Amino acid sequence: SQKIEQNSEALNIQEGKTATLTCNYTNYSPAYLQWYRQDPGRGPVFLLLIRENEKEKRKERLKVTFDTTLKQSLFHITASQPADSATYLCALKLSGYALNFGKGTSLLVTP
Amino acid sequence: GAVVSQHPSWVICKSGTSVKIECRSLDFQATTMFWYRQFPKQSLMLMATSNEGSKATYEQGVEKDKFLINHASLTLSTLTVTSAHPEDSSFYICSAREAGAYSNQPQHFGDGTRLSIL
Repeated sequence: SQKIEQNSEALNIQEGKTATLTCNYTNYSPAYLQWYRQDPGRGPVFLLLIRENEKEKRKERLKVTFDTTLKQSLFHITASQPADSATYLCALKLSGYALNFGKGTSLLVTP
Repeated sequence: GAVVSQHPSWVICKSGTSVKIECRSLDFQATTMFWYRQFPKQSLMLMATSNEGSKATYEQGVEKDKFLINHASLTLSTLTVTSAHPEDSSFYICSAREAGAYSNQPQHFGDGTRLSIL
């Protein structure tokens, strides 16, 4: 079956450092991969989409890499801030246009 | 940007009650809407795909007679949890796909409905 795995444990880092979150997948050959942010009690908010032919994508302090050989995506937040504290979800397309989400990684950035 | 409004945001009701949740696309037309359910510290799990003007497609293990979905217009889909029981307590989230969007464009999510059945 298709599976998406993210770091199950919370990631605690100090403000200003770079946070790196991992997303691994199995039994997929995705054309693209998406990252979302979810705050407690809220719906996911889209952050970045990376296509299979893109190695890296950047948006402000965010950077995503996509290695289809390793079946892995890395999500980086540089110069992290306490406001970046949230759960970050990796998502791949299911049949049709629905999404299959990982469990997410909880990030806590402390001052 | 595209906004999806979900209502209510929180509902508490007695066991056996039916609860209706609305999902509206405010500034775009959504040919397809999706309903997800999320239990604490778990991932969002797709329940069903709702296409405007046709019957919803349910994922395996989701009872279509218990979770009634109606998508009667291009801006509104509703999920009705019939005869809700405590095990139905969860966070229900809808998302919408804009009409004419490419397959690789992101979906727009509502802010979810916290359902608590006593």
